[in-house]
Amino acid sequence: GAVVSQHPSRVICKSGTSVKIECRSLDFQATTMFWYRQFPKQSLMLMATSNEGSKATYEQGVEKDKFLINHASLTLSTLTVTSAHPEDSSFYICSARTGQSEQYFGPGTRLTVT
Amino acid sequence: AQSVAQPEDQVKVAEGNPLTVKCTYSVSGNPYLFWYVQYPNRGLQFLLKYITGDNLVKGSYGFEAEFNKSQTSFHLKKPSALVSDSALYFCAVRAVYNTDKLIFGTGTRLQVFP
Repeated sequence: GAVVSQHPSRVICKSGTSVKIECRSLDFQATTMFWYRQFPKQSLMLMATSNEGSKATYEQGVEKDKFLINHASLTLSTLTVTSAHPEDSSFYICSARTGQSEQYFGPGTRLTVT
Repeated sequence: AQSVAQPEDQVKVAEGNPLTVKCTYSVSGNPYLFWYVQYPNRGLQFLLKYITGDNLVKGSYGFEAEFNKSQTSFHLKKPSALVSDSALYFCAVRAVYNTDKLIFGTGTRLQVFP
């Protein structure tokens, strides 16, 4: 139980384009989803927290207009990187939880912007 | 400020030997502490957590961690390491001011050699 999937696992896009990453909770309803960013050899940094049906809460320093988060259902959240640039290349990981449960992490998405 | 420190970037141990991955924390109030493991290009897998109760917490794959309040530590241990334990290990603390937020350490790469 408590499986979280992400799609795609890897994506390459050209600078200036937008890319969408999906995060799904497969066997539970995720009232809260989290999006993290991980740079090589560094820790996970929380980007934003989203509750189903509400606007996401972004961490300080994260541009909400650049990283659009939608949590339209209890099993799906999406992260759209708009007008991507090479510095946005990173490993993006989502997690999900129901109520006050633990966070269950997805397998991550490797984004490369050329 | 809440923080987690993992003083060792890398730990090397021979297969069959005991292993310890260190973690210290700084948090006001009672901490909620976690250990996660990350394999290459994968998301995080939950190993164990401490919320309250026994200071020795047992988790997945034979791992355990000892909560030491006086030393503000939560070291991860395993009596006999396996080569398959080689991975990146993260300690995390749940922020007191925001129970949604996990604050991660910088990670420790464990290498178990045959």
